[in-house]
Amino acid sequence: ETGVTQTPRHLVMGMTNKKSLKCEQHLGHNAMYWYKQSAKKPLELMFVYSLEERVENNSVPSRFSPECPNSSHLFLHLHTLQPEDSALYLCASSQDPGPFYEQYFGPGTRLTVT
Amino acid sequence: AQKVTQAQTEISVVEKEDVTLDCVYETRDTTYYLFWYKQPPSGELVFLIRRNSFDEQNEISGRYSWNFQKSTSSFNFTITASQVVDSAVYFCALSRSGGSNYKLTFGKGTLLTVNP
Repeated sequence: ETGVTQTPRHLVMGMTNKKSLKCEQHLGHNAMYWYKQSAKKPLELMFVYSLEERVENNSVPSRFSPECPNSSHLFLHLHTLQPEDSALYLCASSQDPGPFYEQYFGPGTRLTVT
Repeated sequence: AQKVTQAQTEISVVEKEDVTLDCVYETRDTTYYLFWYKQPPSGELVFLIRRNSFDEQNEISGRYSWNFQKSTSSFNFTITASQVVDSAVYFCALSRSGGSNYKLTFGKGTLLTVNP
């Protein structure tokens, strides 16, 4: 595997379910990011991790809970979501956090909340 | 506050035509970075270019070229002799430079369709 991978690619869940999205980067990067891409809205940064430490939480509701057990893996735990949370969730990584470093994106998880 | 506007929601061209994607940004910062990303149907964003606000030189990479004009706060992207494989959503983005600035502010994107 190379680059940034995300699983699952598609997820349908009910509002009372609990699920997790997984991201793995094989680039030896120190920073990882979660973005949300909704229809007709710009990409929104959700969380940033640098060396497993959260450095940015962009006013995201608590029903989204990130976890970064090591610099290669990033999870997004989901619980009691709302239909408006349906979106494409993109993971990215960069050598270090900050705009100077190019971000490499995964293919995303298409989430549908019913 | 930072803002990126991509006024063209969708553009459709025929193969081999040249096409320009517009990007206008707003920022109060004197130093910042500008980016272009491509999102093909497969979903992952692909980095195309990063430009520092101090560097107003235009850049050319193969069929791609970028025109950065600070005076008009624009960072336009031109594809010369477009190909079907160029079909994708293109995003312009802006970031503050320095310090703990992690956030990329994206435009809403322009869907480019290149027809054979």
